Amino acid sequence: DVKVTQSSRYLVKRTGEKVFLECVQDMDHENMFWYRQDPGLGLRLIYFSYDVKMKEKGDIPEGYSVSREKKERFSLILESASTNQTSMYLCASTALAGGRDTGELFFGEGSRLTVL
Amino acid sequence: GEDVEQSLFLSVREGDSSVINCTYTDSSSTYLYWYKQEPGAGLQLLTYIFSNMDMKQDQRLTVLLNKKDKHLSLRIADTQTGDSAIYFCAERSDAPGGSYIPTFGRGTSLIVHP
Repeated sequence: DVKVTQSSRYLVKRTGEKVFLECVQDMDHENMFWYRQDPGLGLRLIYFSYDVKMKEKGDIPEGYSVSREKKERFSLILESASTNQTSMYLCASTALAGGRDTGELFFGEGSRLTVL
Repeated sequence: GEDVEQSLFLSVREGDSSVINCTYTDSSSTYLYWYKQEPGAGLQLLTYIFSNMDMKQDQRLTVLLNKKDKHLSLRIADTQTGDSAIYFCAERSDAPGGSYIPTFGRGTSLIVHP
């Protein structure tokens, strides 16, 4: 069974703390994504990566950074957490485009972060 | 940039049909998708349609694509309480490295009442 695993379902952090959100996929996918989901705003892309050590900014990268040292792992880092980063964070992966690939995204269960 | 629009809420009675609508802007989209998110979970692909198709049917689900108007719809026949969820429309746009980025709408919350 294919899987995208996010390390923490729920986290509570204090303002100014450094936060690591980890995501691992077992499908040998090239592309990995981090989104945040807020009510009424849908999914907003923070960063994505299409290869090891490659990263591209999404729509809302400010206040975030990412790391992709291995193909299966994509980490989201909040260098200094702020209350406006309280949100649900979703990781997703997909194979590289081409051929008969439909581009289906596989999502993790999400990490709900509360910053106090 | 690309934009995907959909209404935020839809309420239907159990047994009725539900129709969720979506408009998109990227005319070069090759695939369009419907994802479903149940409470407390990530998104799962419900169905997709290739851009050279007008319609796709899969059991209770019917997807209609009007490329001229850039309009996508999802019809759920005989809607059940288990269909209550958030439904996201998404399109696929090219990105660096031969990759692509899916762009999502804000999601339509489907509420099914007895």
